[in-house]
Amino acid sequence: EAGVAQSPRYKIIEKRQSVAFWCNPISGHATLYWYQQILGQGPKLLIQFQNNGVVDDSQLPKDRFSAERLKGVDSTLKIQPAKLEDSAVYLCASSPPVLDEQFFGPGTRLTVL
Amino acid sequence: KQEVTQIPAALSVPEGENLVLNCSFTDSAIYNLQWFRQDPGKGLTSLLLIQSSQREQTSGRLNASLDKSSGRSTLYIAASQPGDSATYLCAVKGGGNKLTFGTGTQLKVEL
Repeated sequence: EAGVAQSPRYKIIEKRQSVAFWCNPISGHATLYWYQQILGQGPKLLIQFQNNGVVDDSQLPKDRFSAERLKGVDSTLKIQPAKLEDSAVYLCASSPPVLDEQFFGPGTRLTVL
Repeated sequence: KQEVTQIPAALSVPEGENLVLNCSFTDSAIYNLQWFRQDPGKGLTSLLLIQSSQREQTSGRLNASLDKSSGRSTLYIAASQPGDSATYLCAVKGGGNKLTFGTGTQLKVEL
C-alpha cells in the first residue's frame, strides 16, 4: 500500500513569510498527526485529527500555526508569519482506526532565514 | 508530564557486535511503547511496538523489552551491520492517545 505522502520535501523562506505543507495519509487512516522535529530532538506533536475534527492541538502555537483537514483525508499545516525558530522537519503521520501504530511520511524540511 | 530519555545519545560499534539501546520514561501509566528508526533526511520507520501488557517483542535481529513498572525499555540489536546505521527513537503512548518521543540514539556501525 502507498505510504504517507508529504510535499514539498524542502522549503527555504525568509522570516515573516508564510508557508504551507501538505499531507496525504494512508487510505483508510482516520487519525492524522503533525509533528515538529527540531534538529537533535525527538518529534513533538503539534496537532492530532480524528477524521476532520481536532483531538489535540495543545502544543500548536496558534498565533502563527494553523492546520486543517476539511474532508477528513488530506491535511495542510500553515505557518504565518514564520520565525527563525520554526526551522525544523515537519512530519505527518497517520494511523488506522484499530491499530495503535503510527506511520510516518518523509517529512518537510523547513529552513527560515 | 511524561519525559522520555535515551542513552547513549550516540554510539559507534564495529560490524558484527551485539548492542543495546536504552529508553527510560517518567510516567509508567502508558498504553504502549514504540521503537522507530530514522535515516538522514527521511521520516520515521516503525520497528517494534510493545503493548503495556507485553514484556517483549521480536523482529528479525531486533528484540525490544519493556519493564513498565521501572519505566524502562531496551532495544537489542544482534550482529549489527553497516545498514543498521541510523537514529533510533523510542516513543511512549500515554493518555489522550499522545506519543512522547525521546531525543534518540545515533548509531554508527563501522566496517
